[in-house]
Amino acid sequence: DVKVTQSSRYLVKRTGEKVFLECVQDMDHENMFWYRQDPGLGLRLIYFSYDVKMKEKGDIPEGYSVSREKKERFSLILESASTNQTSMYLCASSSIYHKLGANVLTFGAGSRLTVL
Amino acid sequence: DAKTTQPTSMDCAEGRAANLPCNHSTISGNEYVYWYRQIHSQGPQYIIHGLKNNETNEMASLIITEDRKSSTLILPHATLRDTAVYYCIVRVQEGGSYIPTFGRGTSLIVHP
Repeated sequence: DVKVTQSSRYLVKRTGEKVFLECVQDMDHENMFWYRQDPGLGLRLIYFSYDVKMKEKGDIPEGYSVSREKKERFSLILESASTNQTSMYLCASSSIYHKLGANVLTFGAGSRLTVL
Repeated sequence: DAKTTQPTSMDCAEGRAANLPCNHSTISGNEYVYWYRQIHSQGPQYIIHGLKNNETNEMASLIITEDRKSSTLILPHATLRDTAVYYCIVRVQEGGSYIPTFGRGTSLIVHP
């Protein structure tokens, strides 16, 4: 079964800490995405990547950075965590070669981050 | 991308059909309608998509009106496990940036 795996389901960090959220997919997908989800706001795109070492800003990139050194791995980095970054973070991947098309995203289970 | 409008919440009795509407009056000719759902504490999951013909798979049916300005996702025999948030998204299938935008969706509660 195809999988998008997020390294941590639950994290608790302190304000100012550097936080790494890791995402790995085993489907050889070109596209990878990071969203955050907050009550009443739906999913908001933070960053995405179409290929190794490529990254593009989404709707809310402030306070975040990303890294994609290998095709299967897309990391989200909070350089200095703040309390307003407490949220659920969702990683997803997709491929233009998917039989259902590139708009079919496969999501990970999510990482719930609490910043104290 | 065309904007979509969905009711905030709906409820349905277990075993009955759940019909989830979506309005997309500004949809253009090459845009498809996609449906995802998100069960609590999980990531969204793709359900189905279509262009203008009705579609059915093992999870659901998708009915798109002839003018394509609205669609309905049908869960023919809803179970308690279908309680989730359902997202309707409109996107071109080829080209574009392949970045689906998820709104707030419809929270479906299936009750016994």
